[in-house]
Amino acid sequence: AQSVTQPDIHITVSEGASLELRCNYSYGATPYLFWYVQSPGQGLQLLLKYFSGDTLVQGIKGFEAEFKRSQSSFNLRKPSVHWSDAAEYFCAVGANDYKLSFGAGTTVTVRA
Amino acid sequence: SAVISQKPSRDICQRGTSLTIQCQVDSQVTMMFWYRQQPGQSLTLIATANQGSEATYESGFVIDKFPISRPNLTFSTLTVSNMSPEDSSIYLCSVPRTGGGNEQFFGPGTRLTVL
Repeated sequence: AQSVTQPDIHITVSEGASLELRCNYSYGATPYLFWYVQSPGQGLQLLLKYFSGDTLVQGIKGFEAEFKRSQSSFNLRKPSVHWSDAAEYFCAVGANDYKLSFGAGTTVTVRA
Repeated sequence: SAVISQKPSRDICQRGTSLTIQCQVDSQVTMMFWYRQQPGQSLTLIATANQGSEATYESGFVIDKFPISRPNLTFSTLTVSNMSPEDSSIYLCSVPRTGGGNEQFFGPGTRLTVL
């Protein structure tokens, strides 16, 4: 069974600073990996995904993530955070059956 | 991407009652999923709803508590039965992207509060 660990429950970052959110997964084969964002009162929006190929993937809103098989990680990064990036971020792993297992989420607070 | 709507968007219910949540998709999809997000928690898959067959439930979820209907390829309902305060959650439906890729599109969610 697949599982996801997001070690950081809450991260506070200054506007304009860089952001990195950690995600570690457990899965027996090559996983499908996703990052979703949930803004207050909003639904889940897909930021980016990794299935195969280039291990550095680009997403929307200036986010990128790097798949590292040796570390079972899929960390999310953004070079310069905007106040609108304050939200809850979920890493998820999926298999061929389309079912997703989500991490506990990381809340990002952006200070002026 | 699929456009997904859910009704109601939120509700406050009394203990012991039932609530049916509707999920409508703007395209035909074979599989639909229902997730629960308890307060301050992550999302947990409740069940997979396939048109023309019984829903498949994940460990810890049973049909008597969460009956699901899937009458056609664009619509599904989830009923939360005999509710207790522990059922207070956001319930979301999702569909996979057509054409493969394994990613999911999520509805806006139904925020349920049980008193």
